[in-house]
Formats: sequence, structure tokens, C-alpha cells
Amino acid sequence: QSALTQPASVSGSPGQSITISCTGSNSDVGGYNYVSWYQQLPGKAPKLMIYDVTKRPSGVSSRFSGSKSGYTASLTISGLQAEDEADYHCSSYTSSSTMVFGGGTKLTVL
Amino acid sequence: QVQLQESGPGLVKPSETLSLTCTVSGGSMSNYFWTWIRQPPGKGLEWIGYIYYSGSTSYNPSLKSRVTISVDTSKSEFSLKLSSVTAADTAVYYCARRYCISGSCYDAFDIWGQGTRVTVSS
Repeated sequence: QSALTQPASVSGSPGQSITISCTGSNSDVGGYNYVSWYQQLPGKAPKLMIYDVTKRPSGVSSRFSGSKSGYTASLTISGLQAEDEADYHCSSYTSSSTMVFGGGTKLTVL
Repeated sequence: QVQLQESGPGLVKPSETLSLTCTVSGGSMSNYFWTWIRQPPGKGLEWIGYIYYSGSTSYNPSLKSRVTISVDTSKSEFSLKLSSVTAADTAVYYCARRYCISGSCYDAFDIWGQGTRVTVSS
């Protein structure tokens, strides 16, 4: 299984909105609404931010939202804050009943 | 509150077997999937595989021939064995729990261990 494709980096200024894409295939992102997103602060374990494409676990800020179109899922962060600076990883269920991650995206808050 | 803690050698020689254990505290292992995920230095996450509390497993096809995940619910732990390691297996290894809430489980991971760094080198 091939890793999902994410941009290596994105950046934005405080208060702006940014979107991170996650592109797969019909065997993963395009075939199922089982995409999740994780935030990873430096030296820390990942934290679940979005599951099932659009759902937020309890306690996750509503500034984080997810969507999907075709083979590409997206994470949008609105009202960007300095503490959002982190690595973001997407993941999807696959047709082989396994999971696959993306390569990760580094978000820089300017 | 459930917590996970990885343990095992931080240094493994090439061609040998990497062995790690994840200890679960603060809750039961029953009715959950337990997962191993790794992150090579400076790279993204890689799903290794998972085990259901009853023992059924699923592995990453690219690692399947070298991976074994087992569970011991009496000890509240599950383990990873990765054979014939090379430098490419150098990574931080995380254990995690599949996200379940209100009786439903999802293809996501909500509880993670802090991670343990494993280096493959002679």
C-alpha cells in the first residue's frame, strides 16, 4: 500500500485559514469515509483531531474541520493561532482492511 | 483514564529481532483494537498493525512477513516483534488504541503511548 500524499509544508499568518490536503486512491481515501487527522507537536505523540472525515472528538476546537472530495481529503484550520504550529498527519482505512498514513505536513504560523 | 507505555531495548543489531511491549493501565483491554505505529526520524507515521483483544490481527502488507503482534490481557499488555531488522527500521515506535465511544469504534487512534526510540545499529 502506498502512503497518502500530503504537502511537505504549509504556512499562514495568525487569524488566517489554511487547508492541508491528503490525496489517496479509490482503495483508501476515495473508497471510504474513514479519514482521520492528527496533530503532532515537537517531541510528542500524535493527537486525534478529526475522524470519519468530518467528526471532531470531544475537546477538539471547532476551528479544526475536515472534508473530502473524490480521492482528496482536507483539513482546514480557521483563525490560525501560534499554538497550531505542528506537524499534521492524515490516515485512511484501506480496502485491504489495513490503515495507511500520509507523509505528514509541517504547519508554520508566520 | 487509560494510559499506554512502551518498553523495550533502545538499540537492536541488524538482522536481529526487535521486541517491544505496550502496557495498558487505567482500563480494560476488552473490546478494543490495539495498534503499533512507527515514525522514522524526520518522516511520517507508518501503521505496523493491530491486534484485537481476542487475538485476531491485521498487518501492514509491506511488513507482514517480519511482524508478529501478540496480546496478554492477563498482564494488560500487547507486544510487537519485528524480525530481521535493518537500519530502515530505526524509528520511534508508538502503541495506540483504536478510538471507540458510545459503543461504536472508528478507524482512528485516540490514545497513544509517549513513544520509544529504537535504533538499529551494530
